[in-house]
This record gives sequence, C-alpha cells and structure tokens, in this order.
Amino acid sequence: ETGVTQTPRHLVMGMTNKKSLKCEQHLGHNAMYWYKQSAKKPLELMFVYNFKEQTENNSVPSRFSPECPNSSHLFLHLHTLQPEDSALYLCASSQELASGRGQYFGPGTRLTVT
Amino acid sequence: GENVEQHPSTLSVQEGDSAVIKCTYSDSASNYFPWYKQELGKRPQLIIDIRSNVGEKKDQRIAVTLNKTAKHFSLHITETQPEDSAVYFCAAGDTGNQFYFGTGTSLTVIP
Repeated sequence: ETGVTQTPRHLVMGMTNKKSLKCEQHLGHNAMYWYKQSAKKPLELMFVYNFKEQTENNSVPSRFSPECPNSSHLFLHLHTLQPEDSALYLCASSQELASGRGQYFGPGTRLTVT
Repeated sequence: GENVEQHPSTLSVQEGDSAVIKCTYSDSASNYFPWYKQELGKRPQLIIDIRSNVGEKKDQRIAVTLNKTAKHFSLHITETQPEDSAVYFCAAGDTGNQFYFGTGTSLTVIP
C-alpha cells in the first residue's frame, strides 16, 4: 500500500534531540491526522488538519509541533521529548466526512525516546 | 466530547465460529462508524463502515449493526479463519473530521 507513507519507520532519539516525522498522502484527501498509539491504550488523536488548517489540537504538549505545508504533506516536529513519548505515531488522511469514507493510515513511525 | 467504549478487550474463538465485538458511544451527533483491523506490526485498515441512516451493512463474512437509540454498534465476523486474528478498533465520527476510537479488541482465532 502506498496511499499514505511515513518516514522514518523507526526512530531512536535522546531527550535533547530534535527530529521530524514526515507523512505524505497520494489519495487526494483534504484532511490529515496525527495519532499516538501506545500499548494497551486507544488511539489518541493528536492533531487534525483540514485543507491545511489545524482544526484540532487535543491538549498535546508543545514538545510536539505539527506542520502542514499543503494537503498532501504533514510533519510532526519533535524536541525535548520524554521517555513516555515512546510510541507508534500514525498518520492518517481522509476525505470530507460527508463522503462516507473512513481514514487511511500510514505504516507508522516507531519512536523510542532514550 | 465523544466517549467510545469497546468490549471485550480480548476474544478467542474456534475457527469457523462467529465473533462479535460491541461498541457504545455517547454523543448522539455521531453519525459515522468505521471499523478497523490492525494486524501485528501493521497499520490499522478500514474493513467496514456504517452511517447513521443505515441499521445494518454486510460485506461477505463481516457485518456491522447500528442501534442509534441505544447508541451502540457491533461488528460480526462469521466463519472465522486464522487470518482474522488481529486487533479490531471501532470508531465514531460526526460531521467534522474528528474520530474517536475504542480501546481495541484482540481477536484470536484458534485453528
């Protein structure tokens, strides 16, 4: 599947590092999302962008900074993370909800903070 | 905001038997209910969805039912096969782009 791609697939970073996660969708969707998936927890929605505008920020700490330069690309900039931020970070995209389609997920970035 | 509860958290069935996973939601404004399957080490994938103007939807061995009055919806898998083993997530969404996910059900189909 190449509809939604994410890089890198795995990332190990120290607490003082700065890194960025990248997501790209080739489906012509208008909305893009960042989710955090931790063990034994539901998918946690972090950010929603609709037509490049951020519409949701679910009380995410400022050490996570999203960027959406266009409808096809989404970034998550990371700095001074904590070990509890280690998780699978999933990007997803969707058409407008009225189209009746769900979200399509990328493969995720497995992040480990040391 | 919306609160989605999913049960059971784990489910084991014999191959060929049926599996049922149930979700409840709290916000009556929710009108779109997708189900996702996530195999180990892979991304969640949409397997079936239902909108609030429909009570039931089928796709081969998979069906979803929705009871708007009671605010619950269920996933039914018939004639289960080992490849159905995965974590299944329900979700509820409204007219915006917000989706609220359940906590997942780990389904194991025993050959």
